[in-house]
Amino acid sequence: ELVMTQSPATLSVSPGERVTLSCRASQSISSNLAWYQQKPGQAPRLLIYGASIRPTGIPARFSGSGSGTEFTLTISSLQSEDFAIYYCQQYNNWPPYTFGQGTKLEIK
Amino acid sequence: QVQLQESGPGLVKPSGTLSLTCAVSGGSISSNNWWSWVRQTPGKGLEWIGEIYHSGRTNYNPSLESRVTISVDKSTSHFSLRLNSVTAADTAVYYCARFIISGGNSWFDPWGQGILVTVSS
Repeated sequence: ELVMTQSPATLSVSPGERVTLSCRASQSISSNLAWYQQKPGQAPRLLIYGASIRPTGIPARFSGSGSGTEFTLTISSLQSEDFAIYYCQQYNNWPPYTFGQGTKLEIK
Repeated sequence: QVQLQESGPGLVKPSGTLSLTCAVSGGSISSNNWWSWVRQTPGKGLEWIGEIYHSGRTNYNPSLESRVTISVDKSTSHFSLRLNSVTAADTAVYYCARFIISGGNSWFDPWGQGILVTVSS
């Protein structure tokens, strides 16, 4: 099973800051990676697919990059509504599709 | 737009069978998408359980395959999950989600709101 590792587990940041979250795959997954945002009591919400493609309706402050085994999600200027948990998910080697353990953004 | 809604018992006895249904609305369950179940626990995080196509073709997580059955009812736009021989480790929030495959990319969207299932006597 392909393992996805996210770092850090928790990140304390201030509103307005730029933040970068990391996701590493245990083997190459090309650009077959998605990012999701989850707020307490809610289901995950798609932010990015294809490592860098932002679906319609996702704010431009969210951007993704990377390929192979190293990926990043950047939020250019944190808004209050962005404090949540972020998950990466690979769809290159399946079954199963696998998720990272998540990075929690908390207010500093 | 497509909306998904899980339903089923919130409490299942150990060694019993967990049965959940996902209602698909706002779109056709016979569209060119896969329909998935994903669960979430504090310990293991998000875990993909399996998926079904409207033709009835399924794919399962190898770690759960011996206990899982996913089925689809096109006439009612529902798909269902059955997980046998449950233990406390199967206690989780269970989500249904549409899995889209397009242009070489794939993603889960949308997701249902999730349903907490507790395995306890």
